[in-house]
Parts: sequence; C-alpha cells; structure tokens
Amino acid sequence: QEKVQQSPESLIVPEGAMSSLNCTFSNSASQSIWWYQQHPGKGPEALISIFSNGNKKEGRLTVYLNRASLHVSLHIRDSQPSDSAVYLCAVRWEGQGGRALIFGTGTTVSVSP
Amino acid sequence: EAAVTQSPRNKVTVTGGNVTLSCRQTNSHNYMYWYRQDTGHGLRLIHYSYGAGNLQIGDVPDGYKATRTTQEDFFLLLELASPSQTSLYFCASSGTGVNYAEQFFGPGTRLTVL
Repeated sequence: QEKVQQSPESLIVPEGAMSSLNCTFSNSASQSIWWYQQHPGKGPEALISIFSNGNKKEGRLTVYLNRASLHVSLHIRDSQPSDSAVYLCAVRWEGQGGRALIFGTGTTVSVSP
Repeated sequence: EAAVTQSPRNKVTVTGGNVTLSCRQTNSHNYMYWYRQDTGHGLRLIHYSYGAGNLQIGDVPDGYKATRTTQEDFFLLLELASPSQTSLYFCASSGTGVNYAEQFFGPGTRLTVL
C-alpha cells in the first residue's frame, strides 16, 4: 500500500514570504497527487493536484512533481495570514474494488503578520 | 450548493455504547468515504463506497461497520464503542471521471468515548 510522508511538521513564515512544503510517496506508479488545506474546526479542502512530472501553477500556488525521486512539493508565494492552516498531501490509491486517497500527516503552516 | 453534511457534530458516549454517525451529500457523487483524524496519524480511511449497497474496506476498519443506503447517505456504526475510537470523524464524497480523486469533505463529527 502507498505510504505518504510530509515535512516539515510545522513551518512559521513571515507575511509575504514563500512557504515550501514537501511530500514523499512510496509508489512511482501512483496516479494523481493532491494538496489539501485544513483550517481549524473545518474539513479539508482540495487546493491543487498534479499528475504529470514537472510543475503546475495556480495563482500563488506552485506544485513540483518528480516521480523518479518520489517527491512532490508545494510552494505558496506571498504567504498571507489566511494561509495559516494544516496542509495535507494525498496520493491516489487504487485499492481492491475501488479508489481512495492516502493522506500524509500534514504540515502546519503559521504565517506571522 | 453542493455540500456534505454530517450529524451529529459532537457526540459523547460510554464504553460499550452504540453510536451511529450520519453523512449526506448533495453532490450527486458515486463515491463516499469515512475517515478518522488523530494527531500524529493524519487522516485514515475506515470504509468507503462507490454506490448504494456497496461497501469497501479501508485501512483501519476494525470496530467499525458502515452502510450506504442511498447515493446520498452513508452511515458509520460503532456497535461496541471503545476509548480508542475517540477521534474526529470526517465524511467525504467524490465523483467519477478525470477529477474523481478530488474529495469534498464534511465539517466533521467529534466523538468522545468515556
């Protein structure tokens, strides 16, 4: 089964700086990789996904995927206090009889004004 | 507006008690999921379903039953609750097609087993 690990566990960045989060997975044949954002007391919300090697940019978010090194990263440009949240990396898992996502344990980002 | 709702939002029970957590989605999605979230473990999949009457076993199914009665409704049952099942439970739904992996989560149910 797929295993997903995230680093760092927590991150403190000043407002306006870049936040950089890392995620490694165990199966190079994994399909899509997703990043979710979770604010306190809320359910996770999907932010961005990537399937192919390379990078994908959406607004202030950029994701880099390197399947050979089993690594994906998320970069948040111009971090804002509203970006303070837990960020979860998730990898699609093709299990028996269906499909699901395997989640990492998350990175807590705190953006200081 | 498409949504996933859960009830109750908070539940306290005693060891050995019966608990049913409810989830309803109005996304017209085929897939529904139950997760538990614990510090240090992240989100772990308990059970999931790809349609009414279907049930698939997740990663941490022991002590849990689930039933999908309609496309909209998915229930998680704890028949003999134990303190180890104290957790934050999330329900989610997802569709099929290119973006089927995007899951939409409910607000969560906090369960405490005394």
